[in-house]
Amino acid sequence: EAGVTQSPTHLIKTRGQQATLRCSPISGHTSVYWYQQALGLGLQFLLWYDEGEERNRGNFPPRFSGRQFPNYSSELNVNALELEDSALYLCASSLAFGQPQHFGDGTRLSIL
Amino acid sequence: KNQVEQSPQSLIILEGKNCTLQCNYTVSPFSNLRWYKQDTGRGPVSLTIMTFSENTKSNGRYTATLDADTKQSSLHITASQLSDSASYICVVSELTGGGNKLTFGTGTQLKVEL
Repeated sequence: EAGVTQSPTHLIKTRGQQATLRCSPISGHTSVYWYQQALGLGLQFLLWYDEGEERNRGNFPPRFSGRQFPNYSSELNVNALELEDSALYLCASSLAFGQPQHFGDGTRLSIL
Repeated sequence: KNQVEQSPQSLIILEGKNCTLQCNYTVSPFSNLRWYKQDTGRGPVSLTIMTFSENTKSNGRYTATLDADTKQSSLHITASQLSDSASYICVVSELTGGGNKLTFGTGTQLKVEL
């Protein structure tokens, strides 16, 4: 069974640009979660999608947005990139809310 | 505010030795607590999950304990191996029907040396 896959592995952008990160959940999983893991900090919850709908978002500005497609894959978009957006962005999926989350290996976003 | 605090922040031990990592939390109402292992450059992988009624749970050389009264958990690693070098993250889930309410600790960075 394939795990959660994320692309790209690394992404380098400059300030003010926009970034798109992608996530494919484990087959059969309908819930997708996005987290930001900045250097020296714990995982910070960004967004939760289930059945194509945004169910909850963390304490992040509106320039962090995303969507979930009919096949349950998901995109995270970050607009007007700032230096502090440099971090590892992790995607996780679960069968349903409350079920164990399985993580991908993340996208390393670097802002120059 | 819900918080999860882990200690120590980092730890270096010799191969073959045992170690214990600590996790204290203030999350309420409590649902469950998970320990994850995160290798460098990889996503976290679940080691154990414990609910309110569970005191101890083992996964190979990893043994987690939970004291729901004092809101403390520990992860004990027995006969450490070089491959145990990683970040260990404690994650506490809040009992709610309103959304994803996980609180993550900042992790303990473990290094196992020869």
